[in-house]
Amino acid sequence: AQSVTQLDSQVPVFEEAPVELRCNYSSSVSVYLFWYVQYPNQGLQLLLKYLSGSTLVESINGFEAEFNKSQTSFHLRKPSVHISDTAEYFCAATDSWGKLQFGAGTQVVVTP
Amino acid sequence: DTGVSQNPRHKITKRGQNVTFRCDPISEHNRLYWYRQTLGQGPEFLTYFQNEAQLEKSRLLSDRFSAERPKGSFSTLEIQRTEQGDSAMYLCASSLLGSPGELFFGEGSRLTVL
Repeated sequence: AQSVTQLDSQVPVFEEAPVELRCNYSSSVSVYLFWYVQYPNQGLQLLLKYLSGSTLVESINGFEAEFNKSQTSFHLRKPSVHISDTAEYFCAATDSWGKLQFGAGTQVVVTP
Repeated sequence: DTGVSQNPRHKITKRGQNVTFRCDPISEHNRLYWYRQTLGQGPEFLTYFQNEAQLEKSRLLSDRFSAERPKGSFSTLEIQRTEQGDSAMYLCASSLLGSPGELFFGEGSRLTVL
């Protein structure tokens, strides 16, 4: 079964600064990787996904993540954050078409 | 499409009581998942259904927990003889069979056991 490690529990960042959230997964023959976001008082939402193909995937609101098989990583980045990006971010993985394993989450706090 | 709906949103109960949560998934989704989330942790997988069949249960799911999806639509999660350690947010999610990992979550049911 997959396991997912998020290396930072909280990341404070200033508005318009870049941010990187780190995620490592346990190696598997095949793996599908995801980032979910949970805004305050809302349910979890899918932010972006890697299933196959290009190792760089993007979301509609400017986030991107790169699948790195050799380092078993799927770090999430945004070059310039907004106050509205304040949320908790969860990395998740599955090596089958069944259950999704989540990391412990990274709280991003954006300040002016 | 009204999204995934969970009821009740909050439940406070005394230790030893039974509680039941209901989840109404997105109507065309054939997979339904239950997760549990405690403060500072990511969602922990409990169980999932494909239509009415329960395909996998986590070892976290003790005998006091039971989940059903009788007609392949809504699902219930029952916890018998609740313990303080059961206090958590219980999350339901649904997905389409051909979309691995693309889960649509409800807002959760928060359980507090006194």
